[in-house]
Amino acid sequence: NAGVTQTPKFQVLKTGQSMTLQCAQDMNHEYMSWYRQDPGMGLRLIHYSVGAGITDQGEVPNGYNVSRSTTEDFPLRLLSAAPSQTSVYFCASSYGGETTEAFFGQGTRLTVV
Amino acid sequence: GDSVTQMEGPVTLSEEAFLTINCTYTATGYPSLFWYVQYPGEGLQLLLKATKADDKGSNKGFEATYRKETTSFHLEKGSVQVSDSAVYFCALYYGGSQGNLIFGKGTKLSVKP
Repeated sequence: NAGVTQTPKFQVLKTGQSMTLQCAQDMNHEYMSWYRQDPGMGLRLIHYSVGAGITDQGEVPNGYNVSRSTTEDFPLRLLSAAPSQTSVYFCASSYGGETTEAFFGQGTRLTVV
Repeated sequence: GDSVTQMEGPVTLSEEAFLTINCTYTATGYPSLFWYVQYPGEGLQLLLKATKADDKGSNKGFEATYRKETTSFHLEKGSVQVSDSAVYFCALYYGGSQGNLIFGKGTKLSVKP
């Protein structure tokens, strides 16, 4: 059971470039989320999805797009990368509900130069 | 809005010392509370949780009690090991349809032999 798989693990982009961070889960979870982790800031929610075809914005959505065409996949797109998007990105999934455990991928360390 | 505040680190302890990491929360209603741990180079994983007042979550020698009267969920361990070195995050589930978590900023623990 792979759990939550993120690719790539590391990426360096130039300012203005675009890219997609991939996230896939094999647990049939309805809820999927993207967080960014910055020093001294903890984890902040970027976008989330409560099921295929349904997405919404989190705390820090600017500069990011998402879509959810299948239950398994939840890619995060950076349309025009900026140095402020240098961060570690985590994808998470869960069944939802207040007692549920969230499962996290291993993260993608992104540097924008 | 809902929020989580945890003690700032880093925390450095000697092996077998007693650990307390403070966590307090602000929320409307009674959220479920969690402690997640992030080992170096990895994603977050659930350490323990409590879903209602006076519940005690426990795992791997760690404990935390959901205190409604003080809105706290402090993490404790009686005797830490070098392998406990990690970043610890307190989190609350804020429910609704989102199924998402609000995290504290994290506390880095280093345990010296």
